[in-house]
Amino acid sequence: AQTVTQSQPEMSVQEAETVTLSCTYDTSESDYYLFWYKQPPSRQMILVIRQEAYKQQNATENRFSVNFQKAAKSFSLKISDSQLGDAAMYFCAYRGPQGGSEKLVFGKGTKLTVNP
Amino acid sequence: KAGVTQTPRYLIKTRGQQVTLSCSPISGHRSVSWYQQTPGQGLQFLFEYFSETQRNKGNFPGRFSGRQFSNSRSEMNVSTLELGDSALYLCASSTGRNSPLHFGNGTRLTVT
Repeated sequence: AQTVTQSQPEMSVQEAETVTLSCTYDTSESDYYLFWYKQPPSRQMILVIRQEAYKQQNATENRFSVNFQKAAKSFSLKISDSQLGDAAMYFCAYRGPQGGSEKLVFGKGTKLTVNP
Repeated sequence: KAGVTQTPRYLIKTRGQQVTLSCSPISGHRSVSWYQQTPGQGLQFLFEYFSETQRNKGNFPGRFSGRQFSNSRSEMNVSTLELGDSALYLCASSTGRNSPLHFGNGTRLTVT
């Protein structure tokens, strides 16, 4: 079974600084998808960024970027120029091959605090 | 476009009762998934429906059931509630064609 591990239960960063959240996963598949979701106190899970395993290029979305290391099964999230609104729980998630179930396997999450 | 709508937002039930939670997906989305979120277990997959058919099911007891209607709206039911069923229940929808999941605000269920 696939597993996702986030080894940092909590992280903090100063406003305008850069922070990196770690995620490792385990799978025997070669084709899959990885995601980072953000959950603020409002409870709604918001998609931050998505990476297809077949793409070597790391995904970026404005201030958010990933470092995808397929051989190491590592998928870290870098947040640049951190803002107060970035404070939230961040979840790393795995989804299996295209054409199959859309079930997500989530890590336990990392609580990010942004200090002014 | 309206997002995923879950009702009710909060629910308090007593042990032994049953409960039904509702989810209206984004217009045009045919896939609906349900997740249970607790502090101890984190986010766990419950079920996934596509065009009224259950496509996948998580490792939960038979007290947890769900269904999807022809308009893609979905309901999940929990019978004979236990204290451990207290959780945030999240619904997510997608087009079903490998597009990302879009989540609702969840229903917070408290069992006393």
